[in-house]
Amino acid sequence: QVQLQESGPGLVKPSETLSLTCSVSGYSISSGYFWGWIRQPPGKGLEWIGSINHRGPINYNPSLKSRVTISVDTSKNEFSLTVSSLTAADTAMYYCARAITGGTRPIDKWGQGIFVTVSS
Amino acid sequence: SYVLTQPPSVSVAPGQTASITCGGNNIETKSVHWYQQKPGQAPVLVIYYDRDRPSGIPERFSGSNSGNTATLTISRVEAGDEADYYCQVWDGSSDHCVFGAGTKVTVL
Repeated sequence: QVQLQESGPGLVKPSETLSLTCSVSGYSISSGYFWGWIRQPPGKGLEWIGSINHRGPINYNPSLKSRVTISVDTSKNEFSLTVSSLTAADTAMYYCARAITGGTRPIDKWGQGIFVTVSS
Repeated sequence: SYVLTQPPSVSVAPGQTASITCGGNNIETKSVHWYQQKPGQAPVLVIYYDRDRPSGIPERFSGSNSGNTATLTISRVEAGDEADYYCQVWDGSSDHCVFGAGTKVTVL
Protein backbone atom coordinates (compact mmCIF):
# COMPACT_ATOMS: atom_id res chain seq x y z
CA GLN A 1 0.00 0.00 0.00
CA VAL A 2 1.43 3.33 -1.04
CA GLN A 3 2.34 5.74 1.74
CA LEU A 4 3.63 9.30 1.59
CA GLN A 5 5.53 11.00 4.40
CA GLU A 6 6.54 14.64 4.55
CA SER A 7 9.68 15.81 6.30
CA GLY A 8 11.31 19.17 6.89
CA PRO A 9 11.54 22.02 9.38
CA GLY A 10 8.55 23.07 11.41
CA LEU A 11 9.78 26.63 11.84
CA VAL A 12 11.36 28.90 9.25
CA LYS A 13 12.26 32.58 9.37
CA PRO A 14 10.70 35.22 7.11
CA SER A 15 12.56 35.85 3.85
CA GLU A 16 14.22 32.43 4.07
CA THR A 17 13.60 29.37 1.88
CA LEU A 18 11.56 26.36 2.94
CA SER A 19 12.59 22.89 1.78
CA LEU A 20 10.31 19.89 2.25
CA THR A 21 10.70 16.30 1.13
CA CYS A 22 8.09 13.63 0.54
CA SER A 23 9.24 10.03 0.88
CA VAL A 24 7.13 7.49 -0.98
CA SER A 25 6.87 3.83 0.01
CA GLY A 26 4.90 1.00 -1.55
CA TYR A 27 5.11 2.42 -5.06
CA SER A 28 7.88 3.50 -7.41
CA ILE A 29 7.63 7.14 -8.43
CA SER A 30 9.14 6.27 -11.80
CA SER A 31 6.21 3.95 -12.56
CA GLY A 32 3.77 6.78 -13.13
CA TYR A 33 1.28 9.17 -11.54
CA PHE A 34 1.84 12.81 -10.73
CA TRP A 35 3.38 13.80 -7.41
CA GLY A 36 2.61 17.12 -5.86
CA TRP A 37 2.10 19.50 -2.98
CA ILE A 38 -0.97 21.12 -1.48
CA ARG A 39 -1.05 23.47 1.49
CA GLN A 40 -3.70 24.64 3.92
CA PRO A 41 -3.31 27.74 6.11
CA PRO A 42 -4.82 27.42 9.59
CA GLY A 43 -8.61 27.52 9.41
CA LYS A 44 -8.62 27.96 5.64
CA GLY A 45 -9.09 25.88 2.52
CA LEU A 46 -6.81 23.84 0.31
CA GLU A 47 -4.35 25.53 -2.04
CA TRP A 48 -2.66 23.50 -4.76
CA ILE A 49 1.02 24.34 -5.10
CA GLY A 50 2.17 22.18 -7.99
CA SER A 51 2.93 18.70 -9.28
CA ILE A 52 5.54 16.77 -11.20
CA ASN A 53 5.73 13.57 -13.20
CA HIS A 54 8.89 11.46 -13.31
CA ARG A 55 9.15 12.18 -17.00
CA GLY A 56 9.49 15.83 -16.19
CA PRO A 57 6.28 17.79 -16.81
CA ILE A 58 5.94 20.23 -13.93
CA ASN A 59 2.91 22.40 -13.29
CA TYR A 60 2.72 25.20 -10.74
CA ASN A 61 -0.01 27.34 -9.28
CA PRO A 62 0.36 30.62 -11.20
CA SER A 63 0.07 32.58 -7.96
CA LEU A 64 3.11 30.81 -6.48
CA LYS A 65 5.13 29.96 -9.57
CA SER A 66 7.78 32.63 -9.05
CA ARG A 67 8.71 31.29 -5.59
CA VAL A 68 8.22 27.54 -5.90
CA THR A 69 10.28 24.64 -7.24
CA ILE A 70 9.28 20.98 -7.27
CA SER A 71 11.76 18.25 -8.13
CA VAL A 72 11.87 14.46 -8.06
CA ASP A 73 14.63 12.02 -7.11
CA THR A 74 13.70 8.61 -8.48
CA SER A 75 16.80 6.99 -6.98
CA LYS A 76 15.52 7.83 -3.49
CA ASN A 77 11.85 7.49 -4.46
CA GLU A 78 11.10 10.94 -3.13
CA PHE A 79 10.15 14.37 -4.36
CA SER A 80 10.74 17.82 -2.93
CA LEU A 81 9.35 21.31 -2.62
CA THR A 82 11.16 24.59 -2.11
CA VAL A 83 9.41 27.87 -1.41
CA SER A 84 11.50 31.03 -1.36
CA SER A 85 11.01 34.50 0.09
CA LEU A 86 8.79 33.25 2.88
CA THR A 87 6.29 35.44 4.70
CA ALA A 88 3.82 34.76 7.48
CA ALA A 89 1.22 34.04 4.79
CA ASP A 90 3.13 30.85 3.96
CA THR A 91 2.38 29.43 7.39
CA ALA A 92 0.34 26.33 6.67
CA MET A 93 -0.03 22.58 6.77
CA TYR A 94 1.83 21.24 3.76
CA TYR A 95 0.65 17.98 2.24
CA CYS A 96 2.40 15.87 -0.34
CA ALA A 97 0.12 13.81 -2.53
CA ARG A 98 -0.26 11.51 -5.50
CA ALA A 99 -2.50 12.41 -8.42
CA ILE A 100 -3.86 10.05 -11.03
CA THR A 101 -2.31 10.50 -14.45
CA GLY A 102 -4.59 12.11 -16.95
CA GLY A 103 -6.11 15.44 -17.76
CA THR A 104 -7.91 16.11 -14.52
CA ARG A 105 -5.58 14.57 -11.91
CA PRO A 106 -7.73 13.53 -8.97
CA ILE A 107 -5.60 13.16 -5.85
CA ASP A 108 -5.95 9.63 -4.56
CA LYS A 109 -3.25 9.51 -1.89
CA TRP A 110 -2.20 12.12 0.66
CA GLY A 111 0.54 12.33 3.23
CA GLN A 112 -0.39 13.14 6.82
CA GLY A 113 0.95 16.68 6.41
CA ILE A 114 3.63 18.76 8.06
CA PHE A 115 2.86 22.08 9.70
CA VAL A 116 5.26 24.88 8.87
CA THR A 117 5.35 28.14 10.78
CA VAL A 118 7.03 31.18 9.28
CA SER A 119 8.13 33.41 12.13
CA SER A 120 11.20 35.16 13.43
CA SER B 1 -8.16 31.55 -13.57
CA TYR B 2 -11.09 29.21 -13.18
CA VAL B 3 -13.20 29.82 -10.06
CA LEU B 4 -15.20 27.24 -8.11
CA THR B 5 -17.94 28.44 -5.78
CA GLN B 6 -19.15 26.40 -2.81
CA PRO B 7 -21.58 27.32 -0.02
CA PRO B 8 -19.69 27.84 3.24
CA SER B 9 -21.91 25.52 5.21
CA VAL B 10 -24.66 22.93 4.95
CA SER B 11 -26.62 21.53 7.86
CA VAL B 12 -28.49 18.25 7.76
CA ALA B 13 -30.28 15.96 10.20
CA PRO B 14 -29.11 12.38 10.63
CA GLY B 15 -30.73 10.06 8.10
CA GLN B 16 -31.50 12.88 5.69
CA THR B 17 -29.78 13.85 2.44
CA ALA B 18 -27.06 16.50 2.13
CA SER B 19 -26.38 18.20 -1.18
CA ILE B 20 -23.17 20.18 -1.60
CA THR B 21 -22.87 22.29 -4.71
CA CYS B 22 -19.82 23.42 -6.64
CA GLY B 23 -20.44 26.16 -9.17
CA GLY B 24 -18.24 27.03 -12.11
CA ASN B 25 -18.55 28.43 -15.60
CA ASN B 26 -19.74 25.56 -17.81
CA ILE B 27 -18.39 23.13 -15.24
CA GLU B 28 -20.14 20.25 -16.99
CA THR B 29 -17.27 20.28 -19.50
CA LYS B 30 -14.81 19.45 -16.73
CA SER B 31 -14.33 16.43 -14.52
CA VAL B 32 -15.03 17.26 -10.88
CA HIS B 33 -13.45 15.53 -7.91
CA TRP B 34 -14.60 15.73 -4.30
CA TYR B 35 -12.66 15.40 -1.04
CA GLN B 36 -13.74 14.92 2.54
CA GLN B 37 -11.57 16.38 5.29
CA LYS B 38 -12.24 15.69 8.93
CA PRO B 39 -10.64 17.85 11.65
CA GLY B 40 -6.94 17.17 12.06
CA GLN B 41 -6.82 14.77 9.13
CA ALA B 42 -5.65 14.84 5.54
CA PRO B 43 -8.33 15.03 2.84
CA VAL B 44 -9.76 11.84 1.38
CA LEU B 45 -11.01 11.42 -2.18
CA VAL B 46 -14.70 10.47 -2.06
CA ILE B 47 -15.85 11.08 -5.66
CA TYR B 48 -13.79 11.39 -8.84
CA TYR B 49 -14.63 11.99 -12.47
CA ASP B 50 -17.95 13.55 -11.45
CA ARG B 51 -19.59 10.39 -10.14
CA ASP B 52 -17.15 7.53 -9.53
CA ARG B 53 -16.45 6.27 -6.02
CA PRO B 54 -12.97 5.08 -5.01
CA SER B 55 -12.74 1.73 -3.32
CA GLY B 56 -13.92 1.89 0.27
CA ILE B 57 -16.20 4.89 -0.12
CA PRO B 58 -19.80 4.10 0.86
CA GLU B 59 -22.50 4.06 -1.81
CA ARG B 60 -24.20 6.82 0.18
CA PHE B 61 -21.80 9.22 -1.54
CA SER B 62 -22.71 10.15 -5.10
CA GLY B 63 -21.93 12.91 -7.56
CA SER B 64 -23.37 14.64 -10.57
CA ASN B 65 -22.35 17.43 -12.91
CA SER B 66 -24.57 19.45 -15.20
CA GLY B 67 -24.56 22.95 -16.62
CA ASN B 68 -22.77 25.28 -14.25
CA THR B 69 -23.12 23.14 -11.12
CA ALA B 70 -21.60 19.94 -9.83
CA THR B 71 -23.18 18.32 -6.80
CA LEU B 72 -21.98 15.93 -4.13
CA THR B 73 -24.87 14.12 -2.50
CA ILE B 74 -24.64 12.27 0.79
CA SER B 75 -27.63 10.03 1.42
CA ARG B 76 -28.70 8.75 4.83
CA VAL B 77 -26.29 11.12 6.54
CA GLU B 78 -24.46 9.84 9.60
CA ALA B 79 -22.68 11.71 12.37
CA GLY B 80 -19.37 10.52 10.94
CA ASP B 81 -20.03 12.44 7.71
CA GLU B 82 -19.50 15.72 9.52
CA ALA B 83 -16.51 17.27 7.77
CA ASP B 84 -15.33 19.85 5.27
CA TYR B 85 -15.89 18.94 1.64
CA TYR B 86 -13.90 20.38 -1.26
CA CYS B 87 -14.49 20.18 -4.99
CA GLN B 88 -11.60 20.24 -7.43
CA VAL B 89 -11.07 20.57 -11.17
CA TRP B 90 -8.12 20.91 -13.52
CA ASP B 91 -7.94 24.28 -15.25
CA GLY B 92 -6.67 23.32 -18.67
CA SER B 93 -6.26 26.89 -19.83
CA SER B 94 -3.41 27.47 -17.40
CA ASP B 95 -2.60 23.87 -16.52
CA HIS B 96 -3.18 23.89 -12.81
CA CYS B 97 -5.43 22.39 -10.18
CA VAL B 98 -8.21 24.48 -8.64
CA PHE B 99 -10.03 23.80 -5.37
CA GLY B 100 -13.29 25.23 -4.20
CA ALA B 101 -13.24 27.08 -0.88
CA GLY B 102 -14.87 24.19 0.90
CA THR B 103 -18.23 23.46 2.52
CA LYS B 104 -18.58 22.56 6.17
CA VAL B 105 -21.22 19.89 6.65
CA THR B 106 -22.81 19.88 10.09
CA VAL B 107 -24.93 16.97 11.22
CA LEU B 108 -27.60 18.30 13.55
